[in-house]
Amino acid sequence: GESVGLHLPTLSVQEGDNSIINCAYSNSASDYFIWYKQESGKGPQFIIDIRSNMDKRQGQRVTVLLNKTVKHLSLQIAATQPGDSAVYFCAEIPPGNQFYFGTGTSLTVIP
Amino acid sequence: DTGVSQNPRHKITKRGQNVTFRCDPISEHNRLYWYRQTLGQGPEFLTYFQNEAQLEKSRLLSDRFSAERPKGSFSTLEIQRTEQGDSAMYLCASSFPTGQGTTNGYTFGSGTRLTVV
Repeated sequence: GESVGLHLPTLSVQEGDNSIINCAYSNSASDYFIWYKQESGKGPQFIIDIRSNMDKRQGQRVTVLLNKTVKHLSLQIAATQPGDSAVYFCAEIPPGNQFYFGTGTSLTVIP
Repeated sequence: DTGVSQNPRHKITKRGQNVTFRCDPISEHNRLYWYRQTLGQGPEFLTYFQNEAQLEKSRLLSDRFSAERPKGSFSTLEIQRTEQGDSAMYLCASSFPTGQGTTNGYTFGSGTRLTVV
């Protein structure tokens, strides 16, 4: 499944499928990006980050892709599990500055 | 160190009362941030400190809001004369300064949920 941030704020996928969550950022000077996962009633949890000198970074079951040309970030989750159900936020960080969050995408994994 | 700690977890207060929240960051982190989050929205930046210096404040931080980090360790956020619109989750995060290390370790606490009745 695939979602684009503000336009499709909810995403439902079958357990075991791959998920793709997209994010458009606004500041071309941002040089550091983070994906967070937030479960209900909890603070955002760091998932993976990427710097602007990279276009791809892989973690455990997650991959972040960065396209600076179109200011687009995506989070790919492989073999999505019920525990992945949460709201996912991307954050952009301009140099020397605090970080800005998008509205988020709610991911629901169907067992 | 078990991460960023925030107290209390929940606070219910009557309109017009003052409230104070506390944040204990990860001890190695010298930057500390306060964010506010309402239901269905991403966290909104309020202010941040590097050590004890408050370096930036958002326009969202009205004169009823004040934050301190007197010794460069824990921080407090006080809201005076609370209004119903102040009801939100108040999140604290800490990090190394941007650019240091392979990751800056922006780590959030679990937040303080404020309800103004």
